[in-house]
Amino acid sequence: NAGVTQTPKFQVLKTGQSMTLQCAQDMNHEYMSWYRQDPGMGLRLIHYSVGAGITDQGEVPNGYNVSRSTTEDFPLRLLSAAPSQTSVYFCASSYSSSGVFSYNEQFFGPGTRLTVL
Amino acid sequence: AQSVTQLDSHVSVSEGTPVLLRCNYSSSYSPSLFWYVQHPNKGLQLLLKYTSAATLVKGINGFEAEFKKSETSFHLTKPSAHMSDAAEYFCVVSGRGSQGNLIFGKGTKLSVKP
Repeated sequence: NAGVTQTPKFQVLKTGQSMTLQCAQDMNHEYMSWYRQDPGMGLRLIHYSVGAGITDQGEVPNGYNVSRSTTEDFPLRLLSAAPSQTSVYFCASSYSSSGVFSYNEQFFGPGTRLTVL
Repeated sequence: AQSVTQLDSHVSVSEGTPVLLRCNYSSSYSPSLFWYVQHPNKGLQLLLKYTSAATLVKGINGFEAEFKKSETSFHLTKPSAHMSDAAEYFCVVSGRGSQGNLIFGKGTKLSVKP
C-alpha cells in the first residue's frame, strides 16, 4: 500500500493564480481531510469529507474548495492564491469504527509546501 | 467545544535524561486523545492514542502518556531521551461529536543535547 500520497511536493504561485493540490489514498478510508500547518499554529483543518459526495468546512475554509467524487481522491483547489495561503498542506485519511471516526488515528501524507508570491 | 493547550513551545533535554511534554485539553465530550510526532520536513506519525480504555497508554519508541480526567491532562513521557527523539510533538483531541476532526495543539519542539 502506498498509503496517502500528495502531489506536488513543492509549488510556487503568483498572487491570483489557481491550482489544485492532489491527494489520494489506497486504504479504502471513508474519512479524508486537509490541514494547513503554519509556524507556531499547529495544524488547522481546512475541509473534510466522510465519504464520496460528502464534504464540509473545517476551521479555515476561506479561499479553498474541495470535492470528493471517489473514495480514493480528495483534491484541494485554491481559487485565487494569496500570500496568506503560503503554508504546508497535509492530507489525511481515516476509517470508522461502528460509524464513529473519532477513535481512530489519521494517516497523513508527506505534505505539499506552497509559496505564494 | 474542544481545545488543546501544550504548555511548552520548546523543551530541551540531555540524551539519557527523562522527557516530559505537557498537554491539557478541554472537551464537551468524552475525548479521544492522541500524540503525533513530526520529524523535520516529514509528515506526521502517530505515537499513541487514548480512547477510554486504560488510562496509561504505551506508544512507540518507549513513549507513554497518562490520561488524568480530574486534571484534564495527557502528558507525554519517556524515561530516557535519545538523539533520534528530536522532533516536534503535537497533542491532539478528537471526540464523538467531532466527526473525526482533529484539534491540534500548537506543538512542542523537543531538542536533545548529546
